[in-house]
Amino acid sequence: EAQVTQNPRYLITVTGKKLTVTCSQNMNHEYMSWYRQDPGLGLRQIYYSMNVEVTDKGDVPEGYKVSRKEKRNFPLILESPSPNQTSLYFCASSLFNPQGEQYFGPGTRLTVT
Amino acid sequence: GQNIDQPTEMTATEGAIVQINCTYQTSGFNGLFWYQQHAGEAPTFLSYNVLDGLEEKGRFSSFLSRSKGYSYLLLKELQMKDSASYLCAVRGYGSGNTGKLIFGQGTTLQVKP
Repeated sequence: EAQVTQNPRYLITVTGKKLTVTCSQNMNHEYMSWYRQDPGLGLRQIYYSMNVEVTDKGDVPEGYKVSRKEKRNFPLILESPSPNQTSLYFCASSLFNPQGEQYFGPGTRLTVT
Repeated sequence: GQNIDQPTEMTATEGAIVQINCTYQTSGFNGLFWYQQHAGEAPTFLSYNVLDGLEEKGRFSSFLSRSKGYSYLLLKELQMKDSASYLCAVRGYGSGNTGKLIFGQGTTLQVKP
């Protein structure tokens, strides 16, 4: 089944404790992206990747890191999480740069205390 | 910069037609997306418009006017399952920006019997 998977789905952590949210797609897509969704602010893009080893900042990259060492995986890294990073995170992928359908993962709900 | 405006909430009756508007102000234009998001779920792709005009896909149609910076999503024969948020997103333009996506805050549609 074609899909985007994210892990974990739910995470509660404390300020400053490094964490990684994994994202994997099995569709051989070149383009992958991370978003956060907050009430009243909608979806905001954090980082995106046009292909392996190519990553770029979205609208809200501060406090996040990403890497794209292989096509299927695009992990999101929070080196020192803070409470303002409490949010719902989505990973998404599409065949090429977003000219068509983007497939979203199920989401990761992160709480930083 | 880019700005995207959508109404926050709309209500419509089952079986009716509803039009959800989206206006954007951007330094360039490279395509506009519509996504549907049910509460607690990930967004799912509805349409992608690059050229002016109306594109129809079943009960859903999307219209674009690039000169006016305007798009709408038309939902016909409304069903209760159409109650969801509808997200408008514009793709970035120019070197280094084609992978960017800017989302509006979304329009929450409630369909009543």
